[in-house]
Amino acid sequence: GENVEQHPSTLSVQEGDSAVIKCTYSDSASNYFPWYKQELGKGPQLIIDIRSNVGEKKDQRIAVTLNKTAKHFSLHITETQPEDSAVYFCAASGYTGNQFYFGTGTSLTVIP
Amino acid sequence: GAGVSQSPSNKVTEKGKDVELRCDPISGHTALYWYRQSLGQGLEFLIYFQGNSAPDKSGLPSDRFSAERTGGSVSTLTIQRTQQEDSAVYLCASSFKRQGETQYFGPGTRLLVL
Repeated sequence: GENVEQHPSTLSVQEGDSAVIKCTYSDSASNYFPWYKQELGKGPQLIIDIRSNVGEKKDQRIAVTLNKTAKHFSLHITETQPEDSAVYFCAASGYTGNQFYFGTGTSLTVIP
Repeated sequence: GAGVSQSPSNKVTEKGKDVELRCDPISGHTALYWYRQSLGQGLEFLIYFQGNSAPDKSGLPSDRFSAERTGGSVSTLTIQRTQQEDSAVYLCASSFKRQGETQYFGPGTRLLVL
């Protein structure tokens, strides 16, 4: 089955700096890669996703890049703000199987 | 429109008791997932429902765990004879259909087994 690894597990940045979180996956059949933000006491919320037919997607301060050859994808947050502080999860899914495979999460702290 | 809702939001129970957790998916979503999230951990897949197909139960950790989905909408996750290690947040998610569609999560039920 699929195996998703996520790094780093914790990340602290100064307000205004950029944050990058990286995930790798093992199943070349995976073709959908969402990123979720989970704030304390809440369920994960989708913030951006990418499908395997594109290499990059951007939404304001958030971008995701995908390298299918190397089987890794990354979340980039620019001009970080304190409200970006949360736990971020990556996930991978494909045409085979029913499951979404989640990374173990990155706890991001933006220091004002 | 309304998102995924879950009830109760918090549940405290004694070891050995049964609990039922409820999930109301987004209207029209045919796929429904249950996950377990232990403190500071990632999401552990439990079970998946898709329309009228047989559910994928491959993630259920023991036979004390079961789930139903009535009428293709509301789902109930039941944990029998609860143990302290069952303490976690139980998350429900729904999507329009399976195979690479976006999942939308509910707020979760925080279960504490004393």
